Amino acid sequence: DIQMTQSPSSLSSSVGDRVTITCRASQSISGYLNWYQQKPGKAPQLLIYTASSLQGGVPSRFSGSGSGTDFTLTISSLQPEDFATYYCQQSHTTPFTFGPGTKVDI
Amino acid sequence: HVLVMDSGGGLVKPGGSLRLSCTGSAFTFSDYYFTWIRQAPGKGLEWISYITNTAPTYYADSVKGRFTISRDNAKKSLYLQMNSLRVDDTAVYYCARFQGWYPPNDAFDIWGQGAMVTVSS
Repeated sequence: DIQMTQSPSSLSSSVGDRVTITCRASQSISGYLNWYQQKPGKAPQLLIYTASSLQGGVPSRFSGSGSGTDFTLTISSLQPEDFATYYCQQSHTTPFTFGPGTKVDI
Repeated sequence: HVLVMDSGGGLVKPGGSLRLSCTGSAFTFSDYYFTWIRQAPGKGLEWISYITNTAPTYYADSVKGRFTISRDNAKKSLYLQMNSLRVDDTAVYYCARFQGWYPPNDAFDIWGQGAMVTVSS
């Protein structure tokens, strides 16, 4: 199975900050890396697919980059509604594994 | 584009069975692959199964042989039959849709609201 790791596991930030979350795969997954946002008690929502494509309706302050084994999610200017947990997920090979999540709070 | 999970969650004893349902609307259900993902209390997300639009199915090792994914395109519905349930199957279960551009390597773009399954004696 492909193992996904994320760093940091949590971070505290302020509104307006630039935030970067890193995701690493245990083997190359080309660009098959997706990012989701989850708020407490809610289903995850797709933010970024295939490493760098912004899902429709997602604000442009979210961006993704990377390929192979190393990927990043960047929030250019953190907004109050962005405080949530973020998960990366590889869609290269079954089982489609998720990272352990990064909690972003104030 | 919406996925709605019918009330299928609940409390079940170890060794018991439960079936979850998920209905799609505002899109052509039969064109898409679908998946089930679960989240144990306070934990991360775990992919458990997917089904193609022509019904071949795939499972995570943790549920293989115990869970069965199926679909009824006429009813625009996805199902997860869960047998031989264990305490560690306790989780919120989500249905989700593959984007549909290059499945199964897509992301999951539409999610159901989730259903809590508790396995306890």
